[in-house]
Amino acid sequence: AQTVTQSQPEMSVQEAETVTLSCTYDTSENNYYLFWYKQPPSRQMILVIRQEAYKQQNATENRFSVNFQKAAKSFSLKISDSQLGDTAMYFCACHKVIQGAQKLVFGQGTRLTINP
Amino acid sequence: DVKVTQSSRYLVKRTGEKVFLECVQDMDHENMFWYRQDPGLGLRLIYFSYDVKMKEKGDIPEGYSVSREKKERFSLILESASTNQTSMYLCASSLSRHRGFGGYTFGSGTRLTVV
Repeated sequence: AQTVTQSQPEMSVQEAETVTLSCTYDTSENNYYLFWYKQPPSRQMILVIRQEAYKQQNATENRFSVNFQKAAKSFSLKISDSQLGDTAMYFCACHKVIQGAQKLVFGQGTRLTINP
Repeated sequence: DVKVTQSSRYLVKRTGEKVFLECVQDMDHENMFWYRQDPGLGLRLIYFSYDVKMKEKGDIPEGYSVSREKKERFSLILESASTNQTSMYLCASSLSRHRGFGGYTFGSGTRLTVV
């Protein structure tokens, strides 16, 4: 079975610090995507960053970057210069194809709090 | 602006009631999904659909059914609501891979309480 594991249920850092959220996954797919989603208190799930497994270069979106280690099946998210608005639940997800549908398997989530 | 709209933000239902959760997307997406979200468990897939009138069971389909009569609408049905179905329900949609899958677009969730 495909699994995604986020080993940090909660994290807390001071504003402007850098924080790294961990994620490991297990997949039998050869070509797949990995995602980080953010869910603020408003509950709307927002795509933060996406990585295609065949690309060796780590994805970056402004203050958000990933450390993708394909052999180790690790996909961590780094948030630089953290801001109060980064406070949210963060979910790591791995892509899988079932019956032609592109399905995502999610981790348990990490609750991140940015303190002023 | 693309959207996935869930008809209710909050719902309170009684045990044994039949409950309908509606989801509509305006992006011409092939794939649609229903997840439930519970603390410490993340998002778990209930059902998904990759085409009109097609449906597939996810990881936790027991106690649920779905309907997809039109491409843009995917309904989740609780045939006889029970208290253990109290949860946050998230609908999502996506393109198929050959049309450029890039992840899901989510609705804003329905928090269902069964009393």
